[in-house]
Amino acid sequence: GAVVSQHPSRVICKSGTSVKIECRSLDFQATTMFWYRQFPKQSLMLMATSNEGSKATYEQGVEKDKFLINHASLTLSTLTVTSAHPEDSSFYICSARVGRGNPEAFFGQGTRLTVV
Amino acid sequence: LAKTTQPISMDSYEGQEVNITCSHNNIATNDYITWYQQFPSQGPRFIIQGYKTKVTNEVASLFIPADRKSSTLSLPRVSLSDTAVYYCLVGPYSGAGSYQLTFGKGTKLSVIP
Repeated sequence: GAVVSQHPSRVICKSGTSVKIECRSLDFQATTMFWYRQFPKQSLMLMATSNEGSKATYEQGVEKDKFLINHASLTLSTLTVTSAHPEDSSFYICSARVGRGNPEAFFGQGTRLTVV
Repeated sequence: LAKTTQPISMDSYEGQEVNITCSHNNIATNDYITWYQQFPSQGPRFIIQGYKTKVTNEVASLFIPADRKSSTLSLPRVSLSDTAVYYCLVGPYSGAGSYQLTFGKGTKLSVIP
C-alpha cells in the first residue's frame, strides 16, 4: 500500500523553542493531509487539515499561530509547534489518502514530542 | 458525523475468534463503516471497510445488518500480535481524498496466551 513517512519519530525540546515535524507521502501525491494529536490512553484528535497550496483548516480550539502548517508540495506537509510548552507534549500523527476510489487512509508512524 | 459506541476493552485467549461490535444509530445513507487498528506509539492502520451485509479480506470480516445501525468486526483466531486498539469510524466517504477521519474512543483488545 501507499506509504506516509513522518520525521522525526521522537523529539525532545526545551520549553519556548519550536519543533518542526515533517510528513511525506512517498509514493503518491496528496493534495490533502491531516494532522492528529494523541495524548496517552486517548483517541486521536484531529488538529487540522493541510491543503497543498492554500491555508490549512484548523479544528475548533486549535491555535493556528501555535501550530503552523505548511503544505508546499504534493508530497510534503509540515507541522511546526511554536514556543512549545510541556502541555504540548504528545504523539503527533499525520495521514493522507490516495483518493481515486481507495477508501484507505495512510498514517505516518507518528512523532513523540516531549517538551521539557 | 454519526457517533459511534464501542466497548472500551475486551480480552480474548489466543486462537479464539474475536467480535467487536460498534453501534452507530445515526448512520446516514451515504456513510460507510471503516475499522482501523492501532498499536502503541504507531499510526493507525486500515483494516476493512463496508457499506452493508458482509465484507471479508485476508485480515478480518465485517458484518453489517440490514438497518446498518451497528457493525461487527470479526478477527479469526487472534494471536498475541493482535493486541491493539481498534477504532470504528463512520463517515460519508469512500475513496474521497479530502475527507478527514474522526476517531472515537476505540476498543482495547488484549489477547492472552
